[in-house]
Amino acid sequence: GNSVTQMEGPVTLSEEAFLTINCTYTATGYPSLFWYVQYPGEGLQLLLKATKADDKGSNKGFEATYRKETTSFHLEKGSVQVSDSAVYFCALTAYGGATNKLIFGTGTLLAVQP
Amino acid sequence: KAGVTQTPRYLIKTRGQQVTLSCSPISGHRSVSWYQQTPGQGLQFLFEYFSETQRNKGNFPGRFSGRQFSNSRSEMNVSTLELGDSALYLCASSLGQPENIQYFGAGTRLSVL
Repeated sequence: GNSVTQMEGPVTLSEEAFLTINCTYTATGYPSLFWYVQYPGEGLQLLLKATKADDKGSNKGFEATYRKETTSFHLEKGSVQVSDSAVYFCALTAYGGATNKLIFGTGTLLAVQP
Repeated sequence: KAGVTQTPRYLIKTRGQQVTLSCSPISGHRSVSWYQQTPGQGLQFLFEYFSETQRNKGNFPGRFSGRQFSNSRSEMNVSTLELGDSALYLCASSLGQPENIQYFGAGTRLSVL
């Protein structure tokens, strides 16, 4: 079946450090891939998405590239800020069909220290 | 445009009771999905509705049910509450294919005592 695996946290970085959060997936066909972010006490916000191989999603300095050959969608940011501290979820929706069901990874807590 | 609105934000119930949670989607969105978030199990899909029809269901017991109204608002109901039902319940709405983006509400925090 479809699944998402992302790196365990917490990830602790100093401000302005480089961020990578690894995400790999298992799915048939060409799923759509997403990164969502959850700040304390809030719901999930879409950070970025990619819908086909080699697509790069980007938003607020974050980037992720849909790699079909390695079934990966790693999240990167060149210089993190304290305000980026949150939980990050990698997710996919299955290819085709009529459903919007999201399958999530376990989430990675990012803590950025000043 | 207003976002996804979930009410209430917090609920405290006791074992054996039932509870109803409400979700108002973004205007124009016809798809509504529900997710349960717990520290142990993470984010798990409950069910999805589109134009008042359930078109997908997760692996939850029959105590969990939902419905969608003609104005796309949705409710989910949990009967005979158990301690393990304590969770953050998230609702998401979407225009549907091909945009395929779900927008989440802030959630309802349910505590079962």
